Amino acid sequence: AQSVTQLDSQVPVFEEAPVELRCNYSSSVSVYLFWYVQYPNQGLQLLLKYLSGSTLVKGINGFEAEFNKSQTSFHLRKPSVHISDTAEYFCAVSEGGGFKTIFGAGTRLFVKA
Amino acid sequence: GAVVSQHPSRVICKSGTSVKIECRSLDFQATTMFWYRQFPKKSLMLMATSNEGSKATYEQGVEKDKFLINHASLTLSTLTVTSAHPEDSSFYICSASGPAGGTTIETQYFGPGTRLLVL
Repeated sequence: AQSVTQLDSQVPVFEEAPVELRCNYSSSVSVYLFWYVQYPNQGLQLLLKYLSGSTLVKGINGFEAEFNKSQTSFHLRKPSVHISDTAEYFCAVSEGGGFKTIFGAGTRLFVKA
Repeated sequence: GAVVSQHPSRVICKSGTSVKIECRSLDFQATTMFWYRQFPKKSLMLMATSNEGSKATYEQGVEKDKFLINHASLTLSTLTVTSAHPEDSSFYICSASGPAGGTTIETQYFGPGTRLLVL
């Protein structure tokens, strides 16, 4: 069975500061990894995904994530955040497109002026 | 990118009534569709997996007689909440899986969600 652990439920950060949202996963098979963002009262928006290849994945809105197989981690980073980045961020894992996606509990990123 | 729509986006109903939510893949054929539920300030929990033309597979703890899922075609799945009660109020999100965007790689795309409020 797969599981996803997001180590921080809330991350407050000042505008223009760097941020890292942590995600660890467990699985007995190869998986695909995702980060989604959800703004209040809205659906999910895909930030980035790791399927294979380069372990550093670049996504939208200046976010990137690094897949570390030995540490079973997929941490999300942004070098300089904006107020508009305030949202809920979900790390997720799947065995593939036709398989269910397992979500982490979410991390609330709060960017302060 | 591929588009998945849900209808309605928001619904308010009286306790005891049934509500149907539609999930459509607009520009690709979805071999598999998934239904998730999200409580306020919580993560998404998978309710069931449906494949076109076959019965849905429900996750443990999900009442299949209460949450009826029909996947009648490769572009449409429906979730019917039968005899809805206030505790069924939630945000329901579907996703559709299929080769999209001109590729042969099967990818999962999420709908915008349906907010259900049962009074």
